[in-house]
Amino acid sequence: AQSVTQLDSHVSVSEGTPVLLRCNYSSSYSPSLFWYVQHPNKGLQLLLKYTSAATLVKGINGFEAEFKKSETSFHLTKPSAHMSDAAEYFCVVSGASGTYKYIFGTGTRLKVLA
Amino acid sequence: KAGVTQTPRYLIKTRGQQVTLSCSPISGHRSVSWYQQTPGQGLQFLFEYFSETQRNKGNFPGRFSGRQFSNSRSEMNVSTLELGDSALYLCASSSLQGASSGANVLTFGAGSRLTVL
Repeated sequence: AQSVTQLDSHVSVSEGTPVLLRCNYSSSYSPSLFWYVQHPNKGLQLLLKYTSAATLVKGINGFEAEFKKSETSFHLTKPSAHMSDAAEYFCVVSGASGTYKYIFGTGTRLKVLA
Repeated sequence: KAGVTQTPRYLIKTRGQQVTLSCSPISGHRSVSWYQQTPGQGLQFLFEYFSETQRNKGNFPGRFSGRQFSNSRSEMNVSTLELGDSALYLCASSSLQGASSGANVLTFGAGSRLTVL
């Protein structure tokens, strides 16, 4: 079965400092992994996805994530936080083949301090 | 191209009533899935439709139902509303064609926020 764990429910960083949002996954298959961002009262927007190509995935707005199979991790990073990055971030793993399901993490709320 | 459109954006109902939410997917997308988002439970999968057929269903009671039309638009219905049904209901569409492919990206609508009093 597939599962995903976001290790921090809240993360606070100062503007201009690096961002690290942690995600561990469990999958019986070669997973597809995604990061989505949700701003208040909005839907989810795709940041990036991993689909067994390059292990370092670059996304929008300067975010990137590295797939580490040995650590079953897919952490999201950004070198320098901006105030507009304040939002909730979701790590997502695709379900097993044939299930058409996507399993969402519980989310990490990122706060950016001026 | 137009994104995923959900209507209504906000609605208030009372316990016992029923509600219908609508989702128009991106043109050409034939897969539509629905999620319930609450502060306590996070994002939970409701069901997914492809070519008017429900292919998978989450662990929700029978009060939650859905359907998809031939133009890929989808509706979900919740009958006999309970206070706990208050949530943001998100619809997502995908260009998933036939066999499953976890690499397909879900594109979400802005959601319908339901408040049950």
